[in-house]
Amino acid sequence: KAGVTQTPRYLIKTRGQQVTLSCSPISGHRSVSWYQQTPGQGLQFLFEYFSETQRNKGNFPGRFSGRQFSNSRSEMNVSTLELGDSALYLCASSLAPPGPHEQYFGPGTRLTVT
Amino acid sequence: GENVEQHPSTLSVQEGDSAVIKCTYSDSASNYFPWYKQELGKRPQLIIDIRSNVGEKKDQRIAVTLNKTAKHFSLHITETQPEDSAVYFCAASQGVTGGGNKLTFGTGTQLKVEL
Repeated sequence: KAGVTQTPRYLIKTRGQQVTLSCSPISGHRSVSWYQQTPGQGLQFLFEYFSETQRNKGNFPGRFSGRQFSNSRSEMNVSTLELGDSALYLCASSLAPPGPHEQYFGPGTRLTVT
Repeated sequence: GENVEQHPSTLSVQEGDSAVIKCTYSDSASNYFPWYKQELGKRPQLIIDIRSNVGEKKDQRIAVTLNKTAKHFSLHITETQPEDSAVYFCAASQGVTGGGNKLTFGTGTQLKVEL
């Protein structure tokens, strides 16, 4: 069974631009969560999607948004990029709720904002 | 919200020794506690997990213990090998009681196994 995939793997953007990241979960997994990983803040939860609905949201500004499609693939968008948004963005997939279920991470998208 | 503290931040052991990493959580509603291993430049990899209805779980050289009363859980690695060198993260989740699959992570432990 193929693992979680994320595209693109690397991105370089300029302050003020926007970016869209994509995540394809493991086949059969219907829940997708997003996390931001930075050296200073560690791993922080962004949001979780199931059945095309956001189930949970972390403490990030409204510039961070996401969505999920009917095939469970998910995208996250960051608008008006700031230097502090430079991070590794990880998505994790798991089985449908109710959980808790094991979460399996993708390889991440390394975003650099200049 | 949930807060997870993890200690130590760095741990150096000799090959063959045991390593123990400890975490405490704040929210008594948390009921699922996974551990992830992240090698440099790689994705976090789930290595073991424990649910609140279990006190201990073991998988070969890795074991996790949970003390719900004290709200702490620990990862034990025996007979460490150089390939165990990585950053280890603990996490907590409330699962069905609230919070869905949201994981709150500890700050990580850099484990170095020396020859």
